[in-house]
Amino acid sequence: AAGVIQSPRHLIKEKRETATLKCYPIPRHDTVYWYQQGPGQDPQFLISFYEKMQSDKGSIPDRFSAQQFSDYHSELNMSSLELGDSALYFCASSGGFDAGAQSSYEQYFGPGTRLTVT
Amino acid sequence: DAKTTQPPSMDCAEGRAANLPCNHSTISGNEYVYWYRQIHSQGPQYIIHGLKNNETNEMASLIITEDRKSSTLILPHATLRDTAVYYCIVPYYGQNFVFGPGTRLSVLP
Repeated sequence: AAGVIQSPRHLIKEKRETATLKCYPIPRHDTVYWYQQGPGQDPQFLISFYEKMQSDKGSIPDRFSAQQFSDYHSELNMSSLELGDSALYFCASSGGFDAGAQSSYEQYFGPGTRLTVT
Repeated sequence: DAKTTQPPSMDCAEGRAANLPCNHSTISGNEYVYWYRQIHSQGPQYIIHGLKNNETNEMASLIITEDRKSSTLILPHATLRDTAVYYCIVPYYGQNFVFGPGTRLSVLP
């Protein structure tokens, strides 16, 4: 079965540079989530999109922005990179979000992008 | 999100059942319980989820108490490849998951 695709898998940047991470959700999934996992830490939610609209926002720095495109893929843009941004960045997708529905929306995660800022 | 509490670590002998508990005493009636695991630096892997009834799939079984305040994930025959951090998560509807700190399961030969 098709899984979530993330690119690139590894990225090395210098301080103050910019980086763009891409996520391609499972086909027919319309919701995308971004998580950050620092060394020795648990994954931390950054932001999510449903049907190309931002649906929720976590602890995402103002230097970061993201969007979901018409084909449902998403990009996380990171500017003015800092050493502390070095982390694994995971994207996950799910089949949809409806606040009024009592349904389950399990998230499926990609392999992650390892960002190293030097 | 409903707060979940898990033991920080557990050991299990290879071939034996691994029983991982989770307390979620503030869970509401519409909230699901999800279990994920993360093998070192890989993306979190979905295992199973449930609402009220016990659930079983090819990976594991999920036992939810009648009052829904706790649950147990059961890996029936643990292998070395099941060594991972296991997360019990109770999100509000389909919104973001809050991970951590989870249970670090070590399967021993």
